[in-house]
Amino acid sequence: GDSVTQMEGPVTLSEEAFLTINCTYTATGYPSLFWYVQYPGEGLQLLLKATKADDKGSNKGFEATYRKETTSFHLEKGSVQVSDSAVYFCALSKTGNQFYFGTGTSLTVIP
Amino acid sequence: KAGVTQTPRYLIKTRGQQVTLSCSPISGHRSVSWYQQTPGQGLQFLFEYFSETQRNKGNFPGRFSGRQFSNSRSEMNVSTLELGDSALYLCASTLSGTGLSYEQYFGPGTRLTVT
Repeated sequence: GDSVTQMEGPVTLSEEAFLTINCTYTATGYPSLFWYVQYPGEGLQLLLKATKADDKGSNKGFEATYRKETTSFHLEKGSVQVSDSAVYFCALSKTGNQFYFGTGTSLTVIP
Repeated sequence: KAGVTQTPRYLIKTRGQQVTLSCSPISGHRSVSWYQQTPGQGLQFLFEYFSETQRNKGNFPGRFSGRQFSNSRSEMNVSTLELGDSALYLCASTLSGTGLSYEQYFGPGTRLTVT
């Protein structure tokens, strides 16, 4: 069945370091791919999305490219800030609005 | 536009009791999905409602049920609560046009503690 596998955490980085959180997916057809972020005590917020192969989603300095050949949607940011500390979820969805989420990767950025 | 609201935010119940959680989607959104979030299992899909009909269902026992009203507001009910039902329950709404996949907008969640 459809599923998402993302990098195990937790991840700890120093401020201004480069961030990569790996995400791969298994799905038939042509899913849309998403990254969500969850700050402590809050629900999930959409960070970025891509709806077809080779699309690049970007927001707040974060980027992810939909790679169909490697079934991946890795999240990257060139210079993280303390305020980026949160849990990040990779997700996929196809028609019919069924979403599949990864297990989440906790990121802590230290000054 | 107001976001997704969930009530109550926090709830403490005893084993064997039942509980009802409520979710009001963003105005104009017709699809509501429910998730259970726990540290060990991550985010697990419970069910999705669209136009008052359950359209998708996850792999949860029959003690978990839901419904959606004509104004798109949704409730989920858990009967005969178990300690393992302690979790953050998240509701998400989607515009959900036919055949298209839109991003989900999440509420802040209801933290349920079963003692």
